[in-house]
Amino acid sequence: AQSVTQLDSHVSVSEGTPVLLRCNYSSSYSPSLFWYVQHPNKGLQLLLKYTSAATLVKGINGFEAEFKKSETSFHLTKPSAHMSDAAEYFCVVSEDNDMRFGAGTRLTVKP
Amino acid sequence: DSGVTQTPKHLITATGQRVTLRCSPRSGDLSVYWYQQSLDQGLQFLIQYYNGEERAKGNILERFSAQQFPDLHSELNLSSLELGDSALYFCASSVAGVIDTQYFGPGTRLTVL
Repeated sequence: AQSVTQLDSHVSVSEGTPVLLRCNYSSSYSPSLFWYVQHPNKGLQLLLKYTSAATLVKGINGFEAEFKKSETSFHLTKPSAHMSDAAEYFCVVSEDNDMRFGAGTRLTVKP
Repeated sequence: DSGVTQTPKHLITATGQRVTLRCSPRSGDLSVYWYQQSLDQGLQFLIQYYNGEERAKGNILERFSAQQFPDLHSELNLSSLELGDSALYFCASSVAGVIDTQYFGPGTRLTVL
């Protein structure tokens, strides 16, 4: 069965500096991969998804992620953090209609 | 606003009881998904329905069941409730399958006392 590991439970950055949230996955074959964001007391919102097309995926709010099969990674990046990016981020792997969520990474953005 | 509605927002009940959570998907979406989010287990996918039929099953307990009705709304039934069932239950909908963008509802917070 597929699984996903988010390597950092908490990341803290200063406003205007780059963001890197790390995600490794394991899968039997070609998975679909997603990043979701959850703001406090809200449901999840899709940031971006990889479904075997281009390996560099651009999402909403300036986020992007690169699928690296050799490293089984799907790290989320943003060049410049904004205060509104403070939230919980979840990496998700999907295979055979089953979905597995990572434990989440809490992003704190300092002014 | 995602267009997905869930009722009720909050539910407080006792151990051993049974509750029903309701979800209305976005207009035009045929798939409904249920998720459980708790401090212990994190976010877990429970079950997916597509156009009235069960499409995929995740970590759903036997005490839990779901269905999707002809008007595409869905209900999640939780029975013989235990303290550990206290969680936030999300519903999401998408046009068809898992790789389609899922739109999440605001969730139902269940507290079992």
